Amino acid sequence: GAGVSQSPSNKVTEKGKDVELRCDPISGHTALYWYRQSLGQGLEFLIYFQGNSAPDKSGLPSDRFSAERTGGSVSTLTIQRTQQEDSAVYLCASSSPTGWNTIYFGEGSWLTVV
Amino acid sequence: ILNVEQSPQSLHVQEGDSTNFTCSFPSSNFYALHWYRWETAKSPEALFVMTLNGDEKKKGRISATLNTKEGYSYLYIKGSQPEDSATYLCAFNTGTASKLTFGTGTRLQVTL
Repeated sequence: GAGVSQSPSNKVTEKGKDVELRCDPISGHTALYWYRQSLGQGLEFLIYFQGNSAPDKSGLPSDRFSAERTGGSVSTLTIQRTQQEDSAVYLCASSSPTGWNTIYFGEGSWLTVV
Repeated sequence: ILNVEQSPQSLHVQEGDSTNFTCSFPSSNFYALHWYRWETAKSPEALFVMTLNGDEKKKGRISATLNTKEGYSYLYIKGSQPEDSATYLCAFNTGTASKLTFGTGTRLQVTL
């Protein structure tokens, strides 16, 4: 597609269950980011992939969070043993290898842990 | 550690008012400064990218300036309208293909 695609758009899960969120970046974009915004909070960086380099995982809040990017394209963010504080909108973004690195966001996956 | 700070955290103005917000960033290793607008229930949208000290960008009633030596950027909105209500984010990066670091944003609410 033309933009960053995320799925699911909405997910309600029970506390303790695992969830997977998917991101399909813009074709040709080598950089991919995951962010989240919890209620009343700002944009929180989670993880950054750039080409074949080792990902910057410095924003992952705990070891329950992991992400992978297969073939330099699609990325999956996995949250294990979800907790209520994981409820947030999870945004994926991608950017081109050239230029100023303007990033393009998807519409987000809204996660609610009950 | 890169810190991008934005002020004020939130702002409430009347329609027709002009307003401005500040973004502060580390002045060393500067490459580019970005402004984004994030409306509720939508994805953040890029407004401006600025790279040179003294840069000024304008899009309609919104403009931005950049001072890389002292590490700040201002975003101005002239004659605010209710549709300008959004969170305005700035972000900074240190080179091509480097990670964008965002501030926490300024939340603007414009009422009639």
